[in-house]
Amino acid sequence: DIQMTQSPSSLSASVGDRVTITCRASQGIRNDLGWYQQKPGKAPKRLIYAASDLQNGVPSRFSGSRSGTEFTLTISSLQPEDFATYYCLHYNSDVHTFGQGTKLEIK
Amino acid sequence: QVQLVQSGAEMKKPGASVKVSCRTSGYIFTTYGIDWVRQAPGQGLEWVGWMSPYDDNRKFAQKLQGRVTMTTDTSTRTVSMELRSLTVDDTAVYYCAIIDGYNSIDYWGQGTPVTVSS
Repeated sequence: DIQMTQSPSSLSASVGDRVTITCRASQGIRNDLGWYQQKPGKAPKRLIYAASDLQNGVPSRFSGSRSGTEFTLTISSLQPEDFATYYCLHYNSDVHTFGQGTKLEIK
Repeated sequence: QVQLVQSGAEMKKPGASVKVSCRTSGYIFTTYGIDWVRQAPGQGLEWVGWMSPYDDNRKFAQKLQGRVTMTTDTSTRTVSMELRSLTVDDTAVYYCAIIDGYNSIDYWGQGTPVTVSS
């Protein structure tokens, strides 16, 4: 099975900061990756699909990119509502695999 | 609009089975498969499996193979997930979802807490 390694596991940042979260796949997965945001007690909300496409209604400060088997979620200027836990999700025809999660906290 | 409404919270003893249902609306039922995802308390997201109401095709996470079943009821537009031989490690919130990785289509149910305790 393909493994997804997400880093960092936690991150402290301030409003207005630029932050990046990374997921590395154990083998090539094309662009079969999405990024999710989850707040406590809520269902996950997708931000990015197909590695770099912005989900409808998601602010443009969120962006995704891919370099080989490394995928990055970037938040260009953190807003108060962005403090949450973020997950990558690899999907294919057989199985889906989540990254371990990144908890983004206020510094 | 697309809605996924899940059944209510469950409390089970170890060794029992639990069935969680996901009633869908707002789209043609056979268009999208339904994923199941769970989240243990304080832990990350874990994919459980997927089922297509179109052709009854199913995929399951390897660690749950043999314990999980997924079924559909086209008349009620409901997809159900049953997990057998429960252990305390199955305590989690279980979500149903429509996850289309290639289009801007991503919908989730509200989650169903399942508690396994003696």
